[in-house]
Amino acid sequence: DSGVTQTPKHLITATGQRVTLRCSPRSGDLSVYWYQQSLDQGLQFLIQYYNGEERAKGNILERFSAQQFPDLHSELNLSSLELGDSALYFCASSVGNGGLTDTQYFGPGTRLTVL
Amino acid sequence: AQKITQTQPGMFVQEKEAVTLDCTYDTSDQSYGLFWYKQPSSGEMIFLIYQGSYDEQNATEGRYSLNFQKARKSANLVISASQLGDSAMYFCAMRERRNQGGKLIFGQGTELSVKP
Repeated sequence: DSGVTQTPKHLITATGQRVTLRCSPRSGDLSVYWYQQSLDQGLQFLIQYYNGEERAKGNILERFSAQQFPDLHSELNLSSLELGDSALYFCASSVGNGGLTDTQYFGPGTRLTVL
Repeated sequence: AQKITQTQPGMFVQEKEAVTLDCTYDTSDQSYGLFWYKQPSSGEMIFLIYQGSYDEQNATEGRYSLNFQKARKSANLVISASQLGDSAMYFCAMRERRNQGGKLIFGQGTELSVKP
């Protein structure tokens, strides 16, 4: 158990809908990262927040948004869902702001299925 | 071009034997970090080992060691004395200093199966 929690574990929804994925980092960690794992794209970095501020942005679609709250938990919002958004979404956390030695610990993931 | 290449989609190893999982990387950055993660069939990603580009010694963590050859840009994971519980997907990842933040770039993974 990494100490990172994600809810829900599974989510099934329809095209065009909007969902929110939630992540609580390990105690003491200030950074939260979101990754998407799909069969065709592999593991892709989406976005990082550090202590409430956006720190780095990856291949995140405009239909997706995220935020980190004062208690450091984070939410990833996915809207206008398409079939291709079906994937495993991971949250990870780390102590620092993403330096070279700043190890990321992953949560168990949220499996999103868009029908 | 692929930044992280794992050329072995799948591998088999006999229980109690050692196995090497290959990883090559491509970066022009002088400072970078290399990570290995394990993903069992249950889906979670488990951190295994880290190697910094300036580390002179190969990293070791229990039965895991990293064979780091900087000139060849390779960072192979060695698992000694394989156990049935080592059956999983293994991902090599890199972080480059020039990227602001902690973005990890992952390879496509190697599926390891340990035979009894």
